[in-house]
Parts: sequence; C-alpha cells; structure tokens
Amino acid sequence: NAGVMQNPRHLVRRRGQEARLRCSPVKGHSHVYWYRQLPEEGLKFMVYLQKENIIDESGMPKERFSAEFPKEGPSILRIQQVVRGDSAAYFCASSAGTGGEQFFGPGTRLTVL
Amino acid sequence: GENVEQHPSTLSVQEGDSAVIKCTYSDSASNYFPWYKQELGKGPQLIIDIRSNVGEKKDQRIAVTLNKTAKHFSLHITETQPEDSAVYFCAASKYQGAQKLVFGQGTRLTINP
Repeated sequence: NAGVMQNPRHLVRRRGQEARLRCSPVKGHSHVYWYRQLPEEGLKFMVYLQKENIIDESGMPKERFSAEFPKEGPSILRIQQVVRGDSAAYFCASSAGTGGEQFFGPGTRLTVL
Repeated sequence: GENVEQHPSTLSVQEGDSAVIKCTYSDSASNYFPWYKQELGKGPQLIIDIRSNVGEKKDQRIAVTLNKTAKHFSLHITETQPEDSAVYFCAASKYQGAQKLVFGQGTRLTINP
C-alpha cells in the first residue's frame, strides 16, 4: 500500500520565485492537511481540504500562500514570491474521513536563498 | 485557540529504563490526543492515540494516560531500546482526529546503550 507521497522532497528557490509542493494522499483518502515545521519546532497547521473544497484555512498566511485539492490529481500548496522566512519543511497528511487517523508524508524541505 | 505545551524538550535515558513525556493543553473542548514519532528526515508517524472517553491506553511498551480535569496527558515508554531514539510530538484536536491537530514543541529522546 502506498502511503502519502510528496514531491519534490527538496526544493530550492531564490527569493521572489514560486514554489509548488505536491501531495498525493493515501489511495481512497479524500481529506488532506498541510502543516509547516520550522527547524527545532513542532508542526503548525496550515490548511485542511477535501476534494475541490477548502474546509479550514485558518493557519494559512493571508498573502502569497494558496492550496487546492482538485477532483483529479494531487493536492498542491503554492507559495508565490517566496521569502527566506518560508524556508521550512512542509508536511502533508491524509485521512479517510471524519474521525480518521492522519497519515503523514515524508515532507518537502523548502530552502529559499 | 488551542495551545499545547510539551516537556521536556530533550530526554536522555539508559537503554532498558523508562521514558515519560508530558503535555498540557488549554482548550477543554479537545477530545483527541495522538502521539507521533519523527525520525530524522522523515514525516511523523502515529504511535498511539487516546480519546477523551478513556483514561489510559496501552500498546506493548507504549502507554498514554489522560487527565481531562487537569488537561494533561503523558506518553510512557518502558524497556526503552536504541530504536526508540527520535523526536516525539504530542498533539490535540477538538474533533475525532479529522481536523487540525495542534502540536507540542517536541521532545528529542535519546536512548543510551
């Protein structure tokens, strides 16, 4: 069984560029969550999506960040005009539905130069 | 919003001894408390969880206790082994695991042979 897949695993961007992080949930899971982890810190919730819907984006920065989970294909976390403070590990998790365990992917480590 | 405090930040124990990690939460409406283990360069992996209608749960060498009155919960690892070395995170959620998790800051556990 394939778990949550994230790509790329490592991403380097220069300030001002765009970063696109992709997440393929566990097969059959329709709930996706994105979390951000700064060095030596815990994970911070960003956004919770179901297919084609954003359910809770209370942890998303107001500008430059967006997320989608289309009917077909992976979930995408998009960061426009990246700044050095965006450097972090971004984790995606998925669950089968309400009440389900969240399974985490290996993360994408974003470095902004 | 919910806040989760985790202690200690680092813990070193001799192989075979027990390790205890403690967390407190602020929102009395929280009712789901998972524990995750994160190894270097990997995503968090659920090791045990407890829901608010239960005071204690055990799975082999791992146990979790919950005190809803005091709003704290603890992870107990007995007969520790070198492979238990990792960073451990507690988390809390208002829902049955389906929505956003609020994580503690993490505990780096080192098992000394």
